[in-house]
Amino acid sequence: AQTVTQSQPEMSVQEAETVTLSCTYDTSESDYYLFWYKQPPSRQMILVIRQEAYKQQNATENRFSVNFQKAAKSFSLKISDSQLGDAAMYFCAYRSLGPTSGTYKYIFGTGTRLKVLA
Amino acid sequence: EAGVVQSPRYKIIEKKQPVAFWCNPISGHNTLYWYLQNLGQGPELLIRYENEEAVDDSQLPKDRFSAERLKGVDSTLKIQPAELGDSAVYLCASSLGTGRGNEQFFGPGTRLTVL
Repeated sequence: AQTVTQSQPEMSVQEAETVTLSCTYDTSESDYYLFWYKQPPSRQMILVIRQEAYKQQNATENRFSVNFQKAAKSFSLKISDSQLGDAAMYFCAYRSLGPTSGTYKYIFGTGTRLKVLA
Repeated sequence: EAGVVQSPRYKIIEKKQPVAFWCNPISGHNTLYWYLQNLGQGPELLIRYENEEAVDDSQLPKDRFSAERLKGVDSTLKIQPAELGDSAVYLCASSLGTGRGNEQFFGPGTRLTVL
């Protein structure tokens, strides 16, 4: 079974600095998606960035980028020029494609709480 | 474009009482998901619908939980009777489908407190 592990319950970063959130996963599949979601205190989960496993190039969205190491099953999120609005829970998620619709799985990690210090 | 709508946002009930949560997905989204999120944890899938069909309900505690999506649009999740351990946030999400590139969009959730 697939698992997603976020080993950092909480991280802090100074405003304008860079922070990296870690995520590891376990799967026997070769094709899948990985995601980072942001959940502010208001609770609405927002997609930050996604990576397709068959793509070697790391995904980038403005100040957010990932370091995807497929062999190591590692998927870290780097936030550059941190802003106060980046403070939230960040969840790493794995999505299998499944040979059929019934075997499609979406698995979340336990989250990392990011604090941004002014 | 309106996002995923959930109601109520908060619900407080006494144990053994029934409770229902409602979700209206983004227009045109065929796939609807209900998740349970305990405090300090990531969401866990309860049930996934493709149109009106529940294609994955393996994690739904069927002795007390039920869900329906009769016309393939909005959905209701029910708990009867509620137990203390059911206190959590219940999230609804929707997507166009489950194919490549189909992103899930989440609603704000319903925070349930069982006393």
